[in-house]
Amino acid sequence: SQTIHQWPATLVQPVGSPLSLECTVEGTSNPNLYWYRQAAGRGLQLLFYSVGIGQISSEVPQNLSASRPQDRQFILSSKKLLLSDSGFYLCAWSLGQGPGEKLFFGSGTQLSVL
Amino acid sequence: AQSVTQPDIHITVSEGASLELRCNYSYGATPYLFWYVQSPGQGLQLLLKYFSGDTLVQGIKGFEAEFKRSQSSFNLRKPSVHWSDAAEYFCAVGAPGNTPLVFGKGTRLSVIA
Repeated sequence: SQTIHQWPATLVQPVGSPLSLECTVEGTSNPNLYWYRQAAGRGLQLLFYSVGIGQISSEVPQNLSASRPQDRQFILSSKKLLLSDSGFYLCAWSLGQGPGEKLFFGSGTQLSVL
Repeated sequence: AQSVTQPDIHITVSEGASLELRCNYSYGATPYLFWYVQSPGQGLQLLLKYFSGDTLVQGIKGFEAEFKRSQSSFNLRKPSVHWSDAAEYFCAVGAPGNTPLVFGKGTRLSVIA
């Protein structure tokens, strides 16, 4: 069966420090991968999605970047964190087989930038 | 582009009472509609989805939703709420092609005794 791993679960970082959040999927090949951010009162905001290795689409201009070095690995990064980067970050995957298919979510990373 | 509105930020219901969470979407054609639930500090879990056919969709945990094209709505319902249903609920809309879902801002459900 397929599983998604996301870590760390919580992270406290000072402003200006770098960030690296990792997400891996097991049990499937060539998934679509997504990074969402959930800020208080703002719902789920799609940050990046990827339909294949090295293919990254950015939905919102921001202080963050994403990379997909391997088929089932998706990394969210920042060189210098801002206070506004605080939030709950969710990784998700789907099979990429067609419109509106089911998303499978990781358990999230709560990032606090102080 | 598609969009989703969940008009209610927070709803409180008594255990055993019925529940309806509202969702309105904007999309030019027949959308693909979803409801996800998020327990505190966790990821999201799919409750149900609508692609085509019967406009009343049954999901897990006793939830159902009805697609009403004339009202551009996809409201989530449950006849009798349990305390374990307290969570945040997200409506989402998808479109043809390999494009990501668009989520609403969510409705937080509180259940009181």
